[in-house]
Amino acid sequence: GAGVSQSPSNKVTEKGKDVELRCDPISGHTALYWYRQSLGQGLEFLIYFQGNSAPDKSGLPSDRFSAERTGGSVSTLTIQRTQQEDSAVYLCASSLGNKGQPQHFGDGTRLSIL
Amino acid sequence: AQKITQTQPGMFVQEKEAVTLDCTYDTSDQSYGLFWYKQPSSGEMIFLIYQGSYDEQNATEGRYSLNFQKARKSANLVISASQLGDSAMYFCAMRDNFNKFYFGSGTKLNVKP
Repeated sequence: GAGVSQSPSNKVTEKGKDVELRCDPISGHTALYWYRQSLGQGLEFLIYFQGNSAPDKSGLPSDRFSAERTGGSVSTLTIQRTQQEDSAVYLCASSLGNKGQPQHFGDGTRLSIL
Repeated sequence: AQKITQTQPGMFVQEKEAVTLDCTYDTSDQSYGLFWYKQPSSGEMIFLIYQGSYDEQNATEGRYSLNFQKARKSANLVISASQLGDSAMYFCAMRDNFNKFYFGSGTKLNVKP
């Protein structure tokens, strides 16, 4: 497809389980971002990949969160030992990385921790 | 530190009237970009309009315009002739010199018939 693709669209899991969220950015986009959005709230920055540079991980809330981007394309956000406060919508965005270029967002993964 | 402030958690506007959504930002970068996104209740984030820090003219995209006042560090979104479909959350965002984005807390706009 032409847009940013995220999977799964919904994930329900038990507290303590690990989850993997996937993001497939727009082809050719060098920048990829992960955000977390709780209900009715703004976007919380998690991590940012730009080309081959080291990612900016400054927004990851704890060491239970990690992300990788393989081959400069697909990215996976992993949450280990999930907690109830991890419940949120996780949004991925990509951009061309040039000034003036907006981020294009996926539809998000709605994560619910029971 | 980079920061985006949206001071209006909620706004009401009558259909067909214009509305201004406020956004102020804080940065020491000389080169940056300002963006507005719309998020309807369905959840998708829709890019509306962009203003570069060196752009001298205010950006316009159809019914959207960005009132850029660089000295005041404000980038207000103006929606003209509001429509019922404009009811949504609106987020102001800034891109810094390292291509990292910062988002405001959002303004929920309700358009009344």
